[in-house]
Amino acid sequence: EAQVTQNPRYLITVTGKKLTVTCSQNMNHEYMSWYRQDPGLGLRQIYYSMNVEVTDKGDVPEGYKVSRKEKRNFPLILESPSPNQTSLYFCASRAWGPNEKLFFGSGTQLSVL
Amino acid sequence: AQTVTQSQPEMSVQEAETVTLSCTYDTSESDYYLFWYKQPPSRQMILVIRQEAYKQQNATENRFSVNFQKAAKSFSLKISDSQLGDAAMYFCAYRRETSGSRLTFGEGTQLTVNP
Repeated sequence: EAQVTQNPRYLITVTGKKLTVTCSQNMNHEYMSWYRQDPGLGLRQIYYSMNVEVTDKGDVPEGYKVSRKEKRNFPLILESPSPNQTSLYFCASRAWGPNEKLFFGSGTQLSVL
Repeated sequence: AQTVTQSQPEMSVQEAETVTLSCTYDTSESDYYLFWYKQPPSRQMILVIRQEAYKQQNATENRFSVNFQKAAKSFSLKISDSQLGDAAMYFCAYRRETSGSRLTFGEGTQLTVNP
């Protein structure tokens, strides 16, 4: 089954404790991205990647890191989480080409205390 | 920069009735895509309908249809014969017609369906 897998689904942590949210897709997609969802703001892009070793900032990259060492994986790293990073996070991927559908993961609800 | 605005934070509709959710956007591009996504309590993001800007005909998917007004930069979603399962957060989104472009989302409209 074609899917984007995110883990974990829920995560509670404390300020300053490094964490990684994993994202993996099994569709051989070139394009992958991370979004955060906050009430009243919709979804905003954090980072995106157009292929292996190619990443770029989205609208709200501060406090986040990403890497794309393999085509299927695109982890989101918070090296020193702060309470304002409490949010619902989505990973998404799609094939290259303007007409391609975006596939979303099931989301990770992160709480930073 | 492109922006997407949903001016209705909350809407409600009676079961079997019709409801229209509003969306406006701002862009200087002529070629782009517009989308409506549904997010039920499960948090899953579900693509409801998509419109290519170069197409004059409004997209339809069963009970869901759009009213796309390119000159006015308006893209509303009409849900006919509303069902309890339509209750969800709905997001309008925009994307330029280039391979690497991202989705820009509106703030969302929470739809309640009353039995």
